[in-house]
Amino acid sequence: GESVGLHLPTLSVQEGDNSIINCAYSNSASDYFIWYKQESGKGPQFIIDIRSNMDKRQGQRVTVLLNKTVKHLSLQIAATQPGDSAVYFCAEILNSGYALNFGKGTSLLVTP
Amino acid sequence: GAGVSQSPRYKVAKRGQDVALRCDPISGHVSLFWYQQALGQGPEFLTYFQNEAQLDKSGLPSDRFFAERPEGSVSTLKIQRTQQEDSAVYLCASSFGPAEETQYFGPGTRLLVL
Repeated sequence: GESVGLHLPTLSVQEGDNSIINCAYSNSASDYFIWYKQESGKGPQFIIDIRSNMDKRQGQRVTVLLNKTVKHLSLQIAATQPGDSAVYFCAEILNSGYALNFGKGTSLLVTP
Repeated sequence: GAGVSQSPRYKVAKRGQDVALRCDPISGHVSLFWYQQALGQGPEFLTYFQNEAQLDKSGLPSDRFFAERPEGSVSTLKIQRTQQEDSAVYLCASSFGPAEETQYFGPGTRLLVL
């Protein structure tokens, strides 16, 4: 079965607001998580990653939070822009140590 | 350097035809992956190469699917006797190291089997 899933299939935010995309995982042995952004007709684009020995990691306008207690991952996008509109996937490395297991994705729509 | 490239970008095949999809990974990347993405779904793992060695092909859906990377760089995913259920986007990704490294994806090949 699928061990990585997303709470909301779609999210609509206004330009300039902050966005939060959530993800739950069920494999407590997972120790590496990645967020990808996928625009229509393109391949997934790496955004940010986090390992299980961290709770938080920041990038440019993005922050990933990891709560291992409840097996929850979130992606925060600050000052959301129209160019952020895309489908966002969280993914975990499977027990194999290399294959990615993706969730179904959240569609983010940024309105002016 | 350049990112991962894939060709063709689009492929229409009649049921029963064989197809070959090509992936050019980022230069110097040891690991290469193939994923299949159905419409509205996340990508699903098909197979993994470390240099020219195919270390994992557990995700290939049937023996009609075959992948190779003979010289440890370019890879080809071949699907024999295509079926309608093979219609999907086929994504290639590469990473510098052997495991738990960031995977960089190509644009994908959209395959439609009629």
